[in-house]
Amino acid sequence: GDSVTQMEGPVTLSEEAFLTINCTYTATGYPSLFWYVQYPGEGLQLLLKATKADDKGSNKGFEATYRKETTSFHLEKGSVQVSDSAVYFCALMEYGNKLVFGAGTILRVKS
Amino acid sequence: EAQVTQNPRYLITVTGKKLTVTCSQNMNHEYMSWYRQDPGLGLRQIYYSMNVEVTDKGDVPEGYKVSRKEKRNFPLILESPSPNQTSLYFCASRSFGGTGELFFGEGSRLTVL
Repeated sequence: GDSVTQMEGPVTLSEEAFLTINCTYTATGYPSLFWYVQYPGEGLQLLLKATKADDKGSNKGFEATYRKETTSFHLEKGSVQVSDSAVYFCALMEYGNKLVFGAGTILRVKS
Repeated sequence: EAQVTQNPRYLITVTGKKLTVTCSQNMNHEYMSWYRQDPGLGLRQIYYSMNVEVTDKGDVPEGYKVSRKEKRNFPLILESPSPNQTSLYFCASRSFGGTGELFFGEGSRLTVL
């Protein structure tokens, strides 16, 4: 079945450092890909998405590119802030129905 | 304000005592779903509903029941809770058109002793 694999955390960075969180997926067709973020004590919220190969999703300085050849959707940000500390989930949706999540990656940013 | 509302946010109960976690959305979404979040396992789907009176099992439905009598409400029922159902639960909803974005509630942390 469909699955999503994320790099294990926690990831600890200093403020203004470059961030990469790796995400790869397995799917039978051509899924839509998502990054969700969960701030402490809150539910998940959509950070960005991409619906087809080579699409780039972006929001709040975060970016991710849908790479069909490597089945990847890595999350990047050029300069992280303390306020970016959260749990980040990569997810896929196939056939417009079920969302399949990765295990989540904890990001801690220190000032 | 568009939102998904869950209650209670926190609950401690004992094994075997029936409980219900309510979920309500005000966005007229057709699709609603329950997830549980456990460390190292991410979010796993318990049940989902495509519309009123239409529900189906997700990946981990054992020990749970749901109902969808109204479009806005999707309660999660634990008939006889056990300690392995201690978890953080999220309700989510979305429309079938649009971006496919799921809107999540703030979560309900359940402890079963």
